[in-house]
Amino acid sequence: DAGVTQSPTHLIKTRGQQVTLRCSPISGHKSVSWYQQVLGQGPQFIFQYYEKEERGRGNFPDRFSARQFPNYSSELNVNALLLGDSALYLCASSFGGSGANVLTFGAGSRLTVL
Amino acid sequence: GIQVEQSPPDLILQEGANSTLRCNFSDSVNNLQWFHQNPWGQLINLFYIPSGTKQNGRLSATTVATERYSLLYISSSQTTDSGVYFCAADNSGGYQKVTFGTGTKLQVIP
Repeated sequence: DAGVTQSPTHLIKTRGQQVTLRCSPISGHKSVSWYQQVLGQGPQFIFQYYEKEERGRGNFPDRFSARQFPNYSSELNVNALLLGDSALYLCASSFGGSGANVLTFGAGSRLTVL
Repeated sequence: GIQVEQSPPDLILQEGANSTLRCNFSDSVNNLQWFHQNPWGQLINLFYIPSGTKQNGRLSATTVATERYSLLYISSSQTTDSGVYFCAADNSGGYQKVTFGTGTKLQVIP
């Protein structure tokens, strides 16, 4: 079975542009969460979606948005990119939507903003 | 929100040595996971352990929920154990908002 898959793996954008990152959860998993990991730090929670509804949001500006599709895949959108948005963006999936669920992470999308 | 602290921040081991990594958290948790992040950034789930003790090969983990800490034990370390180890905790109840510690960077030298 495929694990959590993310695309693209690497991308380079310039300040002010917009980016869309994609995530496909493990088959049967209904929850998708997004995390941002800046170099040298631990991942930080951005969003959680469960059954296509936003369940939680971290401390990120409104330039960050996400959605979940009927097949439980998800997209993370970041508008008006800043240099500080350069990071590894990680997607995690789990079967249930509560905190008491094992998270499985994808390999990440590494975004560089120039 | 919950605070998660890890120690030590850096660790260098000779191959074959044993080590203990510690994770302290500030509140009761319904999720505590240990991850290993390899040099390519992939986070590998090692243990889901909100309480109790688990073992998987050379690795084991113990969480004492009442005292708000968790320990990861690595025995007979190998060079492939190198990387960053993260502890992550969640106490958000009906939804997920996992908070990661700052990690322990482990280097195992031959």
